[in-house]
Amino acid sequence: EPEVTQTPSHQVTQMGQEVILRCVPISNHLYFYWYRQILGQKVEFLVSFYNNEISEKSEIFDDQFSVERPDGSNFTLKIRSTKLEDSAMYFCASRATGAYGYTFGSGTRLTVV
Amino acid sequence: GQQLNQSPQSMFIQEGEDVSMNCTSSSIFNTWLWYKQEPGEGPVLLIALYKAGELTSNGRLTAQFGITRKDSFLNISASIPSDVGIYFCAGPHDGAGSYQLTFGKGTKLSVIP
Repeated sequence: EPEVTQTPSHQVTQMGQEVILRCVPISNHLYFYWYRQILGQKVEFLVSFYNNEISEKSEIFDDQFSVERPDGSNFTLKIRSTKLEDSAMYFCASRATGAYGYTFGSGTRLTVV
Repeated sequence: GQQLNQSPQSMFIQEGEDVSMNCTSSSIFNTWLWYKQEPGEGPVLLIALYKAGELTSNGRLTAQFGITRKDSFLNISASIPSDVGIYFCAGPHDGAGSYQLTFGKGTKLSVIP
């Protein structure tokens, strides 16, 4: 079964440092997403990406966040200057055209210290 | 914004018992999705519902899209230990053509062997 792959699985970073979270979406999917889940809370939308540009973003996705599809397979989320409250699981997801059911990756656990 | 309310928040059941959980909203959703999340993993799509009144099964799981479009339930029959996890309902955000998902806070299921 096709998978969304995320690396690294865990990342610990110092406050103020930049981090890049990486994702390889399913190869024939065209729509890509980042969600995050603070420990014990619900999954929250960050950003959606299609045709090399952001289609929607939430209030959480401020100027500290950016996304990029640097090549034909990777999709990255960059946090420019991490804050303690950025600590969370970050999930990448992708979907096929016309389908609501995304496929999520296993997530990257980001800990900001 | 749109909110999804799930109940119960958590449940402990004996192996072999049937389980029922709910998701309600104050606003109409046109699609309901049920996801399961196991510890350290991303959400996995269980069932997608696209039409009011629709009843859909996936093995021991059955979900229904309420007639009012403001609720959905998920039933699990004859529970087994691997059913343990957090079950989330989700639906597309307001806005035509938006595929951004709003998630409920989840129902945490524990199965006692």
